[in-house]
Amino acid sequence: KAGVTQTPRYLIKTRGQQVTLSCSPISGHRSVSWYQQTPGQGLQFLFEYFSETQRNKGNFPGRFSGRQFSNSRSEMNVSTLELGDSALYLCASSLAFNEKLFFGSGTQLSVL
Amino acid sequence: SQQGEEDPQALSIQEGENATMNCSYKTSINNLQWYRQNSGRGLVHLILIRSNEREKHSGRLRVTLDTSKKSSSLLITASRAADTASYFCVLYNNNDMRFGAGTRLTVKP
Repeated sequence: KAGVTQTPRYLIKTRGQQVTLSCSPISGHRSVSWYQQTPGQGLQFLFEYFSETQRNKGNFPGRFSGRQFSNSRSEMNVSTLELGDSALYLCASSLAFNEKLFFGSGTQLSVL
Repeated sequence: SQQGEEDPQALSIQEGENATMNCSYKTSINNLQWYRQNSGRGLVHLILIRSNEREKHSGRLRVTLDTSKKSSSLLITASRAADTASYFCVLYNNNDMRFGAGTRLTVKP
């Protein structure tokens, strides 16, 4: 089975721009979740989608949004980028929200 | 909401020694999972332990859960240089999940 694929691997943006990150889950996994990792805040949960519906959400502003398509692929969007949004963004897929997570390699976002 | 607290923050040992990491939390959980992360890459699942379980093993890994003390420990026996990584506990409670701050383990050859 192919693993979780995240694209792009690296991204450089400037403040005020928006960005879209993509995640392809493991075949058969309907739950896709997103995470932000920074040196200061550590790993934080952004949101989780299951069958195209956002079921769980962390404590992030509305600038962070996502969606899931009928094939379970997911995208995450960050609008009006701020310097503090520079982070490693990780995606994971699983059979259910609280079950074993399979992570992608992440997208390293730098906001200048 | 709750955050897992892990200790120690960093641990340095020699190859062949055992490494123990701890995760404490404040409210109830459904399950607790341990993950490993190498050099800022994606996390790799190690073990899931449910709230009604007390101990689980996987190869050289042993995880215990004490719900009365609200704590879990991860023991890596006979460590290897390849075990050098950051280790995170992840706490699940219904629709909420939180990561611990992580323990940075360095195993010297």
